Amino acid sequence: QITLKESGPTLVKPTQTLTLTCTFSGFSLSTSGVGVGWIRQPPGKALEWLALIYWDDDKRYSPSLKSRLTITKDTSRNQVVLTMTNMDPVDTATYHCVHNNLRNWGQGTLVSVSS
Amino acid sequence: DVVMTQSPLSLPVTLGQPASISCRSSQSLVHSDGNTYLNWFQQRPGQSPRRLIYTVSNRDSGVPDRFSGSGSATDFTLKISRVEAEDVGVYYCMQRTHWPWTFGQGTKVEIK
Repeated sequence: QITLKESGPTLVKPTQTLTLTCTFSGFSLSTSGVGVGWIRQPPGKALEWLALIYWDDDKRYSPSLKSRLTITKDTSRNQVVLTMTNMDPVDTATYHCVHNNLRNWGQGTLVSVSS
Repeated sequence: DVVMTQSPLSLPVTLGQPASISCRSSQSLVHSDGNTYLNWFQQRPGQSPRRLIYTVSNRDSGVPDRFSGSGSATDFTLKISRVEAEDVGVYYCMQRTHWPWTFGQGTKVEIK
């Protein structure tokens, strides 16, 4: 059974850096073809892909956010970490981690950006 | 980025009646490998999205057969043959042919 769970702060201040961790089980990020990504959803708005990392460490970033994002993996700990710099109130959203099969999602974590 | 445009954005339906959602992409979603990577997701209130359909018309395991997907290239449709109360939520199309993968704006399905 595949599970993913996001963890990190619920509140960050403007200009701070957000660090989110996705801890997963039921699969290995060293298996060929496997990837884990991050998607966010502002309250009441649509979904937006942020970043994706594959088993071979290939990384993809949203072009509009690329300068602010870093995605890394720790295969031994079954974790994927997303950092987003220079947070702004418009970055307030629920952040989901997702298996690249798109069938398995974390429950999401709401991050608010406010001073 | 590939822009995904859904219509309508709001869809009030009567229980037991059919419903149809359109999704158009700003460029062809036919991949160089010949597949068309168009997915449909359902997001019920307070839940994470759930994939219903992949590669245009393939239903995921456990998805009722009243859901069907069709289309090609830039024009796609999700149909619900007979809407049930549990179908209330927001439906999104998403392409994963071109990076960045992109979603439509969402279509809110509600019961009249």
